[in-house]
Amino acid sequence: AQTVTQSQPEMSVQEAETVTLSCTYDTSESDYYLFWYKQPPSRQMILVIRQEAYKQQNATENRFSVNFQKAAKSFSLKISDSQLGDAAMYFCAYRSASAGNMLTFGGGTRLMVKP
Amino acid sequence: NAGVTQTPKFQVLKTGQSMTLQCAQDMNHNSMYWYRQDPGMGLRLIYYSASEGTTDKGEVPNGYNVSRLNKREFSLRLESAAPSQTSVYFCASSPAWGGLANEQYFGPGTRLTVT
Repeated sequence: AQTVTQSQPEMSVQEAETVTLSCTYDTSESDYYLFWYKQPPSRQMILVIRQEAYKQQNATENRFSVNFQKAAKSFSLKISDSQLGDAAMYFCAYRSASAGNMLTFGGGTRLMVKP
Repeated sequence: NAGVTQTPKFQVLKTGQSMTLQCAQDMNHNSMYWYRQDPGMGLRLIYYSASEGTTDKGEVPNGYNVSRLNKREFSLRLESAAPSQTSVYFCASSPAWGGLANEQYFGPGTRLTVT
């Protein structure tokens, strides 16, 4: 079974600065997808960014980008120009390409943004 | 569009009581999911319905039953609630079961406390 680990329970960043959230995963598969979800205090889960394992190019979405290291099984999220609205729980998730749409989530990282 | 809606938002049960959590989506999605989120943990899949008329167990199905009532609605039933089922429950839906573009859209969650 796949596992997803987020080793940072909490992170803090100054507004307008950059922060990187870490995620590692364990799998024996070669084809899979990785995701970062944001969960603000409202509890709503929001997809931030996704990455296909067969793509070497790192995904970017505006201020959000990932550093995908397939050999190291590492998938970190970089948030640039942090804003107060970025404060939330962030979850890394894994999905096998051969197991339908079943997501395996990490334990989450709480991001605090200081004004 | 309301997206994914869940009722109720909060519920307190006594041990041994039963209840049904309701979920509906108005996006004409084929696949639906039930997750639970415990403190300090990511979401874990309880049951899913890849398409109308089918349901399957996820990672933590014990103590739960589900019904895919129609394409829009997917309910989760606790027959005899236990304190270990105290959690926040999320319903989600996606256009289909396989493929990368099948983003899961989440409801706002139901906070359930079993005393």
